[in-house]
Amino acid sequence: GDSVTQMEGPVTLSEEAFLTINCTYTATGYPSLFWYVQYPGEGLQLLLKATKADDKGSNKGFEATYRKETTSFHLEKGSVQVSDSAVYFCALSEAGGFKTIFGAGTRLFVKA
Amino acid sequence: NAGVTQTPKFQVLKTGQSMTLQCAQDMNHNSMYWYRQDPGMGLRLIYYSASEGTTDKGEVPNGYNVSRLNKREFSLRLESAAPSQTSVYFCASRQGLRETQYFGPGTRLLVL
Repeated sequence: GDSVTQMEGPVTLSEEAFLTINCTYTATGYPSLFWYVQYPGEGLQLLLKATKADDKGSNKGFEATYRKETTSFHLEKGSVQVSDSAVYFCALSEAGGFKTIFGAGTRLFVKA
Repeated sequence: NAGVTQTPKFQVLKTGQSMTLQCAQDMNHNSMYWYRQDPGMGLRLIYYSASEGTTDKGEVPNGYNVSRLNKREFSLRLESAAPSQTSVYFCASRQGLRETQYFGPGTRLLVL
């Protein structure tokens, strides 16, 4: 079945450092890909998404490109802030199905 | 526009007690979902409802039942709570296939 694998955390960075969180997937067909973010004590919320190969999703300085050839959707940000500290989930929405498959989540700590 | 709401926010149960978690969305979404989140396990799908009048099992349905009361509301029932059901429960909804899921704030359940 479809699956999502993302790098384990926690990831600890200093403010203004470059962030990469790796995400790879296996899927049949052409899924939509998502990054969700969860702040402490809250539910998940959409950070960005891409619906087809080579699409780039972006929001709040974060970017991710849908790479079909490498089945990847890595999250990047050029300069992280303390307020970016959260748990980040990579996810795919099955093509033609009702389910969303989530990765295990990567916790990010940003130090001032 | 409240989005997805969940009640209660927090609950303590004794083993064997029953309870119902309530979820409602005001976005006229067709599909609704119940997940549980445990440390290191990411999100696991319990049940989902692709549309009003239908429900289907997810990855971890044992010990739970659901009701799609109408298009807005989707409840999750624990008939006889067990300590293994201690978790954070999230309800989510989305309009259609491959679309973004919108999450509620979660219910924190402790079963003693």
